[in-house]
Amino acid sequence: ETGVTQSPTHLIKTRGQQVTLRCSSQSGHNTVSWYQQALGQGPQFIFQYYREEENGRGNFPPRFSGLQFPNYSSELNVNALELDDSALYLCASSSRGQDYGYTFGSGTRLTVV
Amino acid sequence: DAKTTQPPSMDCAEGRAANLPCNHSTISGNEYVYWYRQIHSQGPQYIIHGLKNNETNEMASLIITEDRKSSTLILPHATLRDTAVYYCIVLISNFGNEKLTFGTGTRLTIIP
Repeated sequence: ETGVTQSPTHLIKTRGQQVTLRCSSQSGHNTVSWYQQALGQGPQFIFQYYREEENGRGNFPPRFSGLQFPNYSSELNVNALELDDSALYLCASSSRGQDYGYTFGSGTRLTVV
Repeated sequence: DAKTTQPPSMDCAEGRAANLPCNHSTISGNEYVYWYRQIHSQGPQYIIHGLKNNETNEMASLIITEDRKSSTLILPHATLRDTAVYYCIVLISNFGNEKLTFGTGTRLTIIP
């Protein structure tokens, strides 16, 4: 059974650019959630995808968007990057109907300069 | 906002039991208590969860008070690898579509 994998592990972008982060969910999981973790803080919920549709969103602007694919993998896209977007971006997969908790990936460290 | 309160930091001697408290005085009857931990530069790792009965697994034990307003995570024989930030979270276990609301957690340091 594979866990959650995220790519890339580290990324440096310039303010104003766009970025795409990727996540492969754990085998058997059909729901993907994305979190942003600023330095020294707990992770903050961005949004969740189920059946290729957004299913719940946290307090993040529309320039944060996502996709889920038929194989349940997911992308997080951020447009018009700002310096405050520098953070660890975490992907978590879970399975509806199974009370087994969420499995997190190791994250993508994004630095905006 | 997080619905839990945890001490910001704790130390524990290696080999001893680490007892991490969590207050969740506004918990609803159908909300579970979940514990996750995050080792430096890794994603959070699920530890254990419970509703009202005490729970034990290979990693830890969870003791929930009878009024469910607080709980304690117990790592029975702490090792250096248990050094991490521990998060206590309450949520309705709605089968995988509930968002996790993290607070700032407890930074546990295991002392050799």
